[in-house]
Amino acid sequence: GAVVSQHPSWVICKSGTSVKIECRSLDFQATTMFWYRQFPKQSLMLMATSNEGSKATYEQGVEKDKFLINHASLTLSTLTVTSAHPEDSSFYICSAYRAGLNTEAFFGQGTRLTVV
Amino acid sequence: EDQVTQSPEALRLQEGESSSLNCSYTVSGLRGLFWYRQDPGKGPEFLFTLYSAGEEKEKERLKATLTKKESFLHITAPKPEDSATYLCAMNSGYSTLTFGKGTMLLVSP
Repeated sequence: GAVVSQHPSWVICKSGTSVKIECRSLDFQATTMFWYRQFPKQSLMLMATSNEGSKATYEQGVEKDKFLINHASLTLSTLTVTSAHPEDSSFYICSAYRAGLNTEAFFGQGTRLTVV
Repeated sequence: EDQVTQSPEALRLQEGESSSLNCSYTVSGLRGLFWYRQDPGKGPEFLFTLYSAGEEKEKERLKATLTKKESFLHITAPKPEDSATYLCAMNSGYSTLTFGKGTMLLVSP
């Protein structure tokens, strides 16, 4: 199946610093990627939709200035958590669609962010 | 409002004890019903996509079925390695997925 690679798989940072998470589609082009956040024992919550070459679309309640998304190419989207705070600690997951006869959504392995 | 409800929240089975997980959905126009497996600390792993009522798909011990209101994930003779959280999601358009809360499955040897 298609592969979506997310990096890093885990990161620990100090409060006030910024952290960048990368999401790559390795064997297909993705004009649209999605960023999710997942709290323990909860389901995935969509944060934003990343569109190649244009601005991301954020879900209600998600601060666009805090969670910066850049989709610079058809295979790479990045999420930067700016001025991180302990409450930003969570599991962040990206997803990319492989369009075709049957559109399939594939997920990265996730990034565990801990802000101390 | 588009909604996905999964039941049960948790399920404990003995190895070899077959069962089914339920995913009920309400949507104006379904463009795909997805099943994923998620292991702790990992991203969801794609299992199946179903598009129309009556459709069925199988993979090893798993079989997914779809009606106009719900989907079932049947697990036949499960093994301990099938233990995971199983997520159901629907695509109602615009390529965004609405997820259920998942069913946490534990298979004991």
